[in-house]
Amino acid sequence: DTGVSQDPRHKITKRGQNVTFRCDPISEHNRLYWYRQTLGQGPEFLTYFQNEAQLEKSRLLSDRFSAERPKGSFSTLEIQRTEQGDSAMYLCASSFGQQETQYFGPGTRLLVL
Amino acid sequence: GNSVTQMEGPVTLSEEAFLTINCTYTATGYPSLFWYVQYPGEGLQLLLKATKADDKGSNKGFEATYRKETTSFHLEKGSVQVSDSAVYFCALRTNSGGSNYKLTFGKGTLLTVNP
Repeated sequence: DTGVSQDPRHKITKRGQNVTFRCDPISEHNRLYWYRQTLGQGPEFLTYFQNEAQLEKSRLLSDRFSAERPKGSFSTLEIQRTEQGDSAMYLCASSFGQQETQYFGPGTRLLVL
Repeated sequence: GNSVTQMEGPVTLSEEAFLTINCTYTATGYPSLFWYVQYPGEGLQLLLKATKADDKGSNKGFEATYRKETTSFHLEKGSVQVSDSAVYFCALRTNSGGSNYKLTFGKGTLLTVNP
């Protein structure tokens, strides 16, 4: 069990650029979640995958955000035309079942200049 | 909707002091309750959990009891160590209906333990 990994750990970009983050869940976990954490706040739910199907998207996830999990393994989160308000820590978590413990990765910290 | 309110920090204690971090919640139905901890430079880790009323979760000397009557899940430790310095998050997950997988977090409480 190598844990949930995320890449990159840090990303600095200019406003208007596109960025993509990757999450590799624990290998046998079929559920994958994305959360966003801003300074001084707890994580907020963004989206959820069961295998390759995206089952829910939070209204926090504007049209500029898209997430995929093409083969039910790793997932990517893309932000198009980044804005300064997108600056946050993006967390990925995975679990084996819907009611099971969610294990979190170290996060990707995004700074939009 | 669901919400979690936890004690605002920061909390600063001396080593071996008693710790309480308050957490109350609002939720439909009977949620599962969690405490996660985030050590400096690391990801969120599950500290303990309780899935039904009167359950007590415990781990690493930390305890929290699911109190349905007061909708609370306060975190306690009898004697803190410097290594307990971290941010602590209270969270809930509903167990029925739609969206019974997403976690709802409090804002977090920063704990600093001095030698």
